[in-house]
Amino acid sequence: GAVVSQHPSRVICKSGTSVKIECRSLDFQATTMFWYRQFPKQSLMLMATSNEGSKATYEQGVEKDKFLINHASLTLSTLTVTSAHPEDSSFYICSARDYDGGAVFFGPGTRLTVL
Amino acid sequence: QKEVEQDPGPLSVPEGAIVSLNCTYSNSAFQYFMWYRQYSRKGPELLMYTYSSGNKEDGRFTAQVDKSSKYISLFIRDSQPSDSATYLCAMSGSGGSNYKLTFGKGTLLTVNP
Repeated sequence: GAVVSQHPSRVICKSGTSVKIECRSLDFQATTMFWYRQFPKQSLMLMATSNEGSKATYEQGVEKDKFLINHASLTLSTLTVTSAHPEDSSFYICSARDYDGGAVFFGPGTRLTVL
Repeated sequence: QKEVEQDPGPLSVPEGAIVSLNCTYSNSAFQYFMWYRQYSRKGPELLMYTYSSGNKEDGRFTAQVDKSSKYISLFIRDSQPSDSATYLCAMSGSGGSNYKLTFGKGTLLTVNP
């Protein structure tokens, strides 16, 4: 099956710093990528939808100035958590929609811990 | 009424059993249907993908979509302890904002050796 990678898999940072998470579709082109966060034992919560070459569409309640999303190419999207605080600690997961077939593949996730 | 309904379980079965999971939905615009398996602290893994109605089989997994009834199913044959995970159904329409997935709540499955 198609592969989506995320980097880093785990990051620990101090409060106030910014953290960038990369999401790559390794063997297919993805015009649309999605960013989620997930708290323990809870459902995936969609944060934003990013389309290659255009601005991301954020879900209600998600601060676009805090969670910066860039989808610069058909295989790469990045999420930057700016001025991270402990309440931003969570599991962040990206997914990518296969341009050809429509299936959506998820990355392995990034665990962010803000001290 | 929620757009996608899925029994959260938990569901516990003995090894070797046939597992039946299902979801109902209300949005007739949904055309893409997916089943994911998610282990704790991991990203969801795509198990089955179906466009529109029909059946699809892949190894021990069979997915069925009945758009007339707005009902989708996933069957797992010869279940294994390694199948213990949360199973998520997901679906979407096509084009623009309709591309984003709508998920069921997930069913927690435990397969006992």
